[in-house]
Amino acid sequence: NAGVTQTPKFQVLKTGQSMTLQCAQDMNHEYMSWYRQDPGMGLRLIHYSVGAGITDQGEVPNGYNVSRSTTEDFPLRLLSAAPSQTSVYFCATRSDRVYGYTFGSGTRLTVV
Amino acid sequence: GNSVTQMEGPVTLSEEAFLTINCTYTATGYPSLFWYVQYPGEGLQLLLKATKADDKGSNKGFEATYRKETTSFHLEKGSVQVSDSAVYFCALVTTGTASKLTFGTGTRLQVTL
Repeated sequence: NAGVTQTPKFQVLKTGQSMTLQCAQDMNHEYMSWYRQDPGMGLRLIHYSVGAGITDQGEVPNGYNVSRSTTEDFPLRLLSAAPSQTSVYFCATRSDRVYGYTFGSGTRLTVV
Repeated sequence: GNSVTQMEGPVTLSEEAFLTINCTYTATGYPSLFWYVQYPGEGLQLLLKATKADDKGSNKGFEATYRKETTSFHLEKGSVQVSDSAVYFCALVTTGTASKLTFGTGTRLQVTL
């Protein structure tokens, strides 16, 4: 089992560029989410999904879009990258039946 | 809303020392509480959890007790090792919040020989 796979692991963008961070899981978890991790701020929820076709905003959604067309995939799109989006991004999933969350290994994004 | 407060780090200990990392929370409803650990360059791993008051979560020598009266979930280990050096996050989730985890800011632990 691969668990939660995030790609790419590292990315450098120029201000104004767009890109998609990929998250794929093979555990058939209904719940998927995106967090960003910044020094001194812990992890903050960007967007989440409770199942295919259903998404909602988290704490810091501005500048990001998501979609959930399949159970397995939950991509995060940066529409026009800004230096404030420099961060480490984590995808996390959860089964409906247990409270344990599984995290991906993260994507380190730098916007210059 | 929900919030988690952790003691600020870094915490620096000698090997075999006793560890306590404080965590207190504010929550609407009845939260489940977690400790996650992040080793350098890696994602977060669930360390332990407790889902109701007075539950004790334990794993790899770490323990934490869900104290509803003090709204706390302090992490303890009797004898730390160099390999325990990592960042530790306290977190909670409540029913009715669509399973959204709320994290503390994290506490970096550095264990030296």
